[in-house]
Amino acid sequence: EVQVTETGGGVVQPGGSLRLTCGASGFSVSSNYMSWVRQAPGKGLEWVSIIHSVGRTFYAESVKGRFTISRDSAKNQLYLQMNDLRADDTAVYYCARDLGDFFDQWGHGALVTVSS
Amino acid sequence: QSVLTQPPSASGTPGQRVTISCSGSGSNIGSSYVYWYRQLPGTAPKLLIYRNNQRPSGVPDRFSGSKSGTSASLAISGLRSEDEADYYCGAWDAGLSGHVFGTGTKVTVL
Repeated sequence: EVQVTETGGGVVQPGGSLRLTCGASGFSVSSNYMSWVRQAPGKGLEWVSIIHSVGRTFYAESVKGRFTISRDSAKNQLYLQMNDLRADDTAVYYCARDLGDFFDQWGHGALVTVSS
Repeated sequence: QSVLTQPPSASGTPGQRVTISCSGSGSNIGSSYVYWYRQLPGTAPKLLIYRNNQRPSGVPDRFSGSKSGTSASLAISGLRSEDEADYYCGAWDAGLSGHVFGTGTKVTVL
């Protein structure tokens, strides 16, 4: 069964760091485009980052220079390293398989709360 | 922030047809496929429409999508109480090299 599951959410202080992990089953993370999408409490969806199957990465302006997307082929996992976190980064972060023109698999999301 | 514009709300009575618009620009809707998701509170988005007007397996034909120029729309016919949810459009934006989403529309069944 094709599935993705996010882990690593939690509470972090402003300026702190956190790494989210997305475990995949039923398909290869490295052979697919993968994206992170977030949703702040009571707000809409916001695309965060994508990693192509060839390894190219792109980021939303709001996280560029602070967040890094990566993957581990052996573990079949996707990561989002988040540094210099701010209050407005508070959101549920979803991992999604990205088919280029839509997302076909989403996880249940991981809540990241940035607060002192 | 959202690049695509949707009405904040839409409503109808059971059985009616509701249409949600999604307005963008040449760098996103004008040059890419549009997709639509439905989201219930506390759950992940569910794909309703992809590639402008394609329905995934399991999505009823009450849901239909269309695109013209830099705008798109989602139509829900035969409105049902379980259609109460938030609806988002989205597309790839070539200028931003990333996906962009709509502002979201809350559908209420009266």
